[in-house]
Amino acid sequence: GAGVSQSPSNKVTEKGKDVELRCDPISGHTALYWYRQSLGQGLEFLIYFQGNSAPDKSGLPSDRFSAERTGGSVSTLTIQRTQQEDSAVYLCASSSWVNEQFFGPGTRLTVL
Amino acid sequence: AQSVTQLGSHVSVSEGALVLLRCNYSSSVPPYLFWYVQYPNQGLQLLLKYTTGATLVKGINGFEAEFKKSETSFHLTKPSAHMSDAAEYFCAVSKGGGTSGTYKYIFGTGTRLKVLA
Repeated sequence: GAGVSQSPSNKVTEKGKDVELRCDPISGHTALYWYRQSLGQGLEFLIYFQGNSAPDKSGLPSDRFSAERTGGSVSTLTIQRTQQEDSAVYLCASSSWVNEQFFGPGTRLTVL
Repeated sequence: AQSVTQLGSHVSVSEGALVLLRCNYSSSVPPYLFWYVQYPNQGLQLLLKYTTGATLVKGINGFEAEFKKSETSFHLTKPSAHMSDAAEYFCAVSKGGGTSGTYKYIFGTGTRLKVLA
């Protein structure tokens, strides 16, 4: 079956622009996670969805970052007024109730 | 609070040699522990996991890890390295869902494995 997909795979934007990153989880997975992977920094948790609600937004680095999930499926991570320090790979993962996360290939964001 | 420490951001081994990647964790509750591998320009792939039961866990590609509660460790090993093992490896800890349903992972900073011919 299909795994987690993310789009776009690469995004180059200018400082100050808004970007939207999309995640399609595995069908039937109720939980969805966003992580940020910066060079040499490991993976940083951003936000977690259970269904359409986000019980844990503790990792969002600033109010420029937001995420939503509709229909218990697709999620969009939005970064407003992008800054150069936002450049990173943004990874999405999904899981069912067996506590194993399946990761997508990521979106590489470059802010010029 | 939970945390994960991976000793050695870069590890080099010769082809055929033992691979040992170290992971230590801290957790106030019994943890769930994971090792993921990331090949260049790809997402993370689960190698193995420990939730409950047997403390020696076998995973894909000949890797295994042993949960040692007394040492708070979950080191990853492979008896004989192959060139295709060159990748970045991440250790992660989770509290597990239970009634809270929170499966948030805390990742280590990763260890890049280089295999020398």
